Amino acid sequence: NAGVMQNPRHLVRRRGQEARLRCSPMKGHSHVYWYRQLPEEGLKFMVYLQKENIIDESGMPKERFSAEFPKEGPSILRIQQVVRGDSAAYFCASTPGQGANTGELFFGEGSRLTVL
Amino acid sequence: AQKITQTQPGMFVQEKEAVTLDCTYDTSDPSYGLFWYKQPSSGEMIFLIYQGSYDQQNATEGRYSLNFQKARKSANLVISASQLGDSAMYFCAMRERGGGGNKLTFGTGTQLKVEL
Repeated sequence: NAGVMQNPRHLVRRRGQEARLRCSPMKGHSHVYWYRQLPEEGLKFMVYLQKENIIDESGMPKERFSAEFPKEGPSILRIQQVVRGDSAAYFCASTPGQGANTGELFFGEGSRLTVL
Repeated sequence: AQKITQTQPGMFVQEKEAVTLDCTYDTSDPSYGLFWYKQPSSGEMIFLIYQGSYDQQNATEGRYSLNFQKARKSANLVISASQLGDSAMYFCAMRERGGGGNKLTFGTGTQLKVEL
């Protein structure tokens, strides 16, 4: 019973490169959330997606960041032209859907992006 | 105003003692949920306990209990009989019904160290 799978676990990029982070939700889950955790801080919401739809992107920076959750395959968080300030841990979480159980988010182990 | 406030950046407790981690919240939504997550040094986010705003009794899960004081808008986590493995970062989080799906807002966390 695989949990939320994120890859890569660690990613190093130089300034100006692109970073792609992938998230496969738990089996049976159709809702995905991305969070960012800067060093020594709590998690900040970025975006909430369902299959083929972005439901809430209120936490996404306006430029360089995008997310998708296609009909087939994992959810992707894409960061173009990375800068040092993008260095953080990016967590993906999934739920079966709205109103399911307590609404607990099941988190992946995170992807740690380091921008040189 | 902060939606979730954790005023204790760090806490120490002796093994086998109980410890309380503070959390206060701010919302005008009558229906909300409160969560506690544990983040050990390995980085993953582990769900501990949930309290719904309409729940009459305080939530308990093994050694974890949530001291829910609705009028004071506090949701403190109590860990009884602390163990060395409890050393970790602890995050309080809130879900508001008016928010998107199961989007959670996190506090800044409390670093707990359990000592012999």
